[in-house]
Amino acid sequence: NAGVTQTPKFQVLKTGQSMTLQCAQDMNHEYMSWYRQDPGMGLRLIHYSVGAGITDQGEVPNGYNVSRSTTEDFPLRLLSAAPSQTSVYFCASSPLDRVEEQYFGPGTRLTVT
Amino acid sequence: EDKVVQSPLSLVVHEGDTVTLNCSYEVTNFRSLLWYKQEKKAPTFLFMLTSSGIEKKSGRLSSILDKKELFSILNITATQTGDSAIYLCAGEFNDYKLSFGAGTTVTVRA
Repeated sequence: NAGVTQTPKFQVLKTGQSMTLQCAQDMNHEYMSWYRQDPGMGLRLIHYSVGAGITDQGEVPNGYNVSRSTTEDFPLRLLSAAPSQTSVYFCASSPLDRVEEQYFGPGTRLTVT
Repeated sequence: EDKVVQSPLSLVVHEGDTVTLNCSYEVTNFRSLLWYKQEKKAPTFLFMLTSSGIEKKSGRLSSILDKKELFSILNITATQTGDSAIYLCAGEFNDYKLSFGAGTTVTVRA
């Protein structure tokens, strides 16, 4: 099993550009989530999904969209990048009844200039 | 608003020392309190605590929860350089949503 994979590992965007961060898992997990991590602020939940076709907002959803067309994939879209979205983004997945034991991907470091 | 506060924000110890990390929380609908270790990249799960006073142990790490006073501690005994990491505390306060504290950075010097 590859576990949770994220692409790209690094990305630099200009303000106003859009892009999609990819996340995939091969463990057949129902639950998937996206977090951002900023210095001194821990991890903050952006969006999450409890299964294909179902998504919901987390703590900081503004400026981000998600969709879950398959169990395996959970892409995060930045609609119009802003410098405030400079961060490290983590995707995670788990069985639905074990959200506490989420498996995290390696992260994507995004810089918006 | 649900809130998780960790202290200290960082600390430096020498190998063999014992470390105690603190996590306090304010919640409307408590389900569980979680600890993670984050080394260079992604966090990894350490403990889940749901009941007061029951210690969870894994090797040199242990953790306990006090639901009356709304806090948890994570202890690391006989620290090693491999324990250097960010330790994150999180609460599951609503279905499927975790709220994380800012983390405590532990540096263990040889």
